[in-house]
Amino acid sequence: DAKTTQPTSMDCAEGRAANLPCNHSTISGNEYVYWYRQIHSQGPQYIIHGLKNNETNEMASLIITEDRKSSTLILPHATLRDTAVYYCIVSPQGGSEKLVFGKGTKLTVNP
Amino acid sequence: DTAVSQTPKYLVTQMGNDKSIKCEQNLGHDTMYWYKQDSKKFLKIMFSYNNKELIINETVPNRFSPKSPDKAHLNLHINSLELGDSAVYFCASSQVFREYYNEQFFGPGTRLTVL
Repeated sequence: DAKTTQPTSMDCAEGRAANLPCNHSTISGNEYVYWYRQIHSQGPQYIIHGLKNNETNEMASLIITEDRKSSTLILPHATLRDTAVYYCIVSPQGGSEKLVFGKGTKLTVNP
Repeated sequence: DTAVSQTPKYLVTQMGNDKSIKCEQNLGHDTMYWYKQDSKKFLKIMFSYNNKELIINETVPNRFSPKSPDKAHLNLHINSLELGDSAVYFCASSQVFREYYNEQFFGPGTRLTVL
């Protein structure tokens, strides 16, 4: 079972920041927080990951609370192409661990 | 160049048939996975291979048999297909020990429909 809780759906206006929350209150010390997204009918796509510190890459920013029990994925300037299901996943360190996908958040970016 | 490719993209077949789905990755990764996404959109791991060795085998009927001829390929063979096998099957790959985090690269999926 997934160890994360996410809202089922969210809406965002094009050009605005999209803030997607995730609760992972049972996260262990050696577990990373990953975010993936799945655009309709495509394979999931890695976005970003973090352990303790906030992270930023060309796609998004990840804010992890100090107690690590929740995190927020931020898409700074959402576009229509960002409409997708976003999955927050916690997984142990290691390059071959399985990813346990929950239901995710369906983000709809509106014009 | 496609990083993770799957064939076929669509597969329609009758109950009871045997079919295979092929997966190839050109990323030089040493770990490959099969995931199943059912009609309710839940995405679940089925198998994982590392350097041709099975390392993850979730509770999957033994009608499903993965085969890894080399670390760039992971094929999925399904015997005696059932209606409940209808789903989208995704192949993925990752590099073990890449900074100890798990960025998996997914293929485009194979939509299997069993009639």
